[in-house]
Amino acid sequence: EVQLVESGGGLVQPGRSLRLSCAASGFTFDDYAMHWVRQAPGKGLEWVSGISWNSGSIGYADSVKGRFTISRDNAKNSLYLQMNSLRAEDTALYYCAKGQSIAVAGRMDYWGQGTLVTVSS
Amino acid sequence: DIVMTQSPDSLAVSLGERATINCKSSQSVLYSSNNKNYLAWYQQKPGQPPKLLIYWASTRESGVPDRFSGSGSGTDFTLTISSLQAEDVAVYYCQQYYSTPLFGPGTKVDIK
Repeated sequence: EVQLVESGGGLVQPGRSLRLSCAASGFTFDDYAMHWVRQAPGKGLEWVSGISWNSGSIGYADSVKGRFTISRDNAKNSLYLQMNSLRAEDTALYYCAKGQSIAVAGRMDYWGQGTLVTVSS
Repeated sequence: DIVMTQSPDSLAVSLGERATINCKSSQSVLYSSNNKNYLAWYQQKPGQPPKLLIYWASTRESGVPDRFSGSGSGTDFTLTISSLQAEDVAVYYCQQYYSTPLFGPGTKVDIK
């Protein structure tokens, strides 16, 4: 059974940093791209970042480019999102999602339950 | 950059009736080399993460009931629920994966 478990969310002040983690199990982690997708309270889905199976291709939404860094550790079946210079508009539930292919430009077939990030002073 | 739009924003349909959701991309998501439309549909029920329903615009994900169907090509796509069930109340999103993934704004489906 595929499982994706996010952690690392919380309340953080504007301008500070936070690192999200996603522990994956139930599939061959390094066969697939992985993604972070967020959802602000009461709003729609926003793709944040994606990373190919071997970290060779990475993409970011314009809204986070230069502030967020995605990475993965295939030996640990883990995905990460380093979030710097956080803003109030980054407040959202952050989902970890498994891609259905090796590529960043892809669809997502399994999702975690999300971890909540609240940026507020 | 590709822009995704959906219509309507919300709709209410009687149980057993048809629900139709439209999705439009500002650029074609049809890849000519393989004749595939890089378009997916997701369902998100309240308090739950999204669930992949359809990919390649019309291919149902494993386990998805056949009352859900997708159609369209190029820039215009449709998700149809042929006979709405109570458990289909949700927000539905389209997503293009022709380039950097991008979701549409969503369509909320309720029971009339």
